[in-house]
Amino acid sequence: DTGVSQDPRHKITKRGQNVTFRCDPISEHNRLYWYRQTLGQGPEFLTYFQNEAQLEKSRLLSDRFSAERPKGSFSTLEIQRTEQGDSAMYLCASSRSHGGSPLHFGNGTRLTVT
Amino acid sequence: GENVEQHPSTLSVQEGDSAVIKCTYSDSASNYFPWYKQELGKRPQLIIDIRSNVGEKKDQRIAVTLNKTAKHFSLHITETQPEDSAVYFCAAIVLEGSGTYKYIFGTGTRLKVLA
Repeated sequence: DTGVSQDPRHKITKRGQNVTFRCDPISEHNRLYWYRQTLGQGPEFLTYFQNEAQLEKSRLLSDRFSAERPKGSFSTLEIQRTEQGDSAMYLCASSRSHGGSPLHFGNGTRLTVT
Repeated sequence: GENVEQHPSTLSVQEGDSAVIKCTYSDSASNYFPWYKQELGKRPQLIIDIRSNVGEKKDQRIAVTLNKTAKHFSLHITETQPEDSAVYFCAAIVLEGSGTYKYIFGTGTRLKVLA
């Protein structure tokens, strides 16, 4: 079971810098999700892909956030001009495409903006 | 908009007692409800799930019940053990146009099992 892998595990950056995170889903899963989690809260939906198509982006996501999944396999999440409020755990999850398929989460990337 | 409410936010029980966590959802079309356990510093992991065509599902010491009419579902843990201590999240599928869907999570319940 290779699972969902995310890189890096931790990222510390200064305010105003750009950061990029990577997620490699389970290989046979064609759906990929990005969530953000802050302390004491549940995962908050950011965006998701079916294969390479980005099907929805949360209204909470500012224009500084962009995600790609160019070949329908791995995905990247980029945050431009980071702000202190972006500090959080960024979780990636994948699933099969039919409704009622459970999400399998990666270990997350913890972002700290100083 | 779509919403999943979860209660309580914290729960302390004595080892061996039962724990119950409740969630309500707003989208009557939701038909799949997973529960995740997240230990400190680790990823959320699926522990049990239920689909809308059944009212209860059990797996050893954990069970989930679903009341579609009232739009709520609950997690039951019996004979709690210290290793059950974690944060538990409920989730519901929210169906959207053109057959797409997404998962919305509750805010979590921090369960402490006291030895």
